[in-house]
Amino acid sequence: AQSVTQLDSQVPVFEEAPVELRCNYSSSVSVYLFWYVQYPNQGLQLLLKYLSGSTLVKGINGFEAEFNKSQTSFHLRKPSVHISDTAEYFCAVSEGFGNEKLTFGTGTRLTIIP
Amino acid sequence: GAVVSQHPSWVICKSGTSVKIECRSLDFQATTMFWYRQFPKQSLMLMATSNEGSKATYEQGVEKDKFLINHASLTLSTLTVTSAHPEDSSFYICSAGDRGLRDTQYFGPGTRLTVL
Repeated sequence: AQSVTQLDSQVPVFEEAPVELRCNYSSSVSVYLFWYVQYPNQGLQLLLKYLSGSTLVKGINGFEAEFNKSQTSFHLRKPSVHISDTAEYFCAVSEGFGNEKLTFGTGTRLTIIP
Repeated sequence: GAVVSQHPSWVICKSGTSVKIECRSLDFQATTMFWYRQFPKQSLMLMATSNEGSKATYEQGVEKDKFLINHASLTLSTLTVTSAHPEDSSFYICSAGDRGLRDTQYFGPGTRLTVL
């Protein structure tokens, strides 16, 4: 069975400051990793994903994440945040290879302070 | 990008009635659709996986007779909450897997169900 841990339930950050949202996973097999963003009263939007290849993945809205197999982590980063980045961020994992079932973390609420 | 729609976006119903939620993939064929439930300020919990033309696979603890899922075509899946009760009030979200882009799910905007 696979699981995802997002240790930070809330992260307040000043506008234009950098941010890192942490995600750790556990799985007995190779996994695919995802970050989704959810704006208030909306569904989830894919920010980025890691399937294979380069461990540094760039996504939309200036976000990037780095896959670290030894630390089983997939932390999300942005060098300079904007007010519009205020949202809930979910890390998710799947086993891929035809098994697309996603397991989500509990989410991190990112609040940007003007 | 791939678009998934849900209808209705919100619904209020009386206890004991049934409610149907539709999930459509608008510009791609979805061989697999997923239904999630999200409680306030919590993560998404997978309820079931449906493949076109076959019975849905339910997660442990999800009542298949209460949450009926039908995936009749490659672009449409429906979730029917039967004999709804206040504890069924929640945010229901569907996602669809693109046959051409495996391992990526596209999410609908969600349906907020309130049972009075």
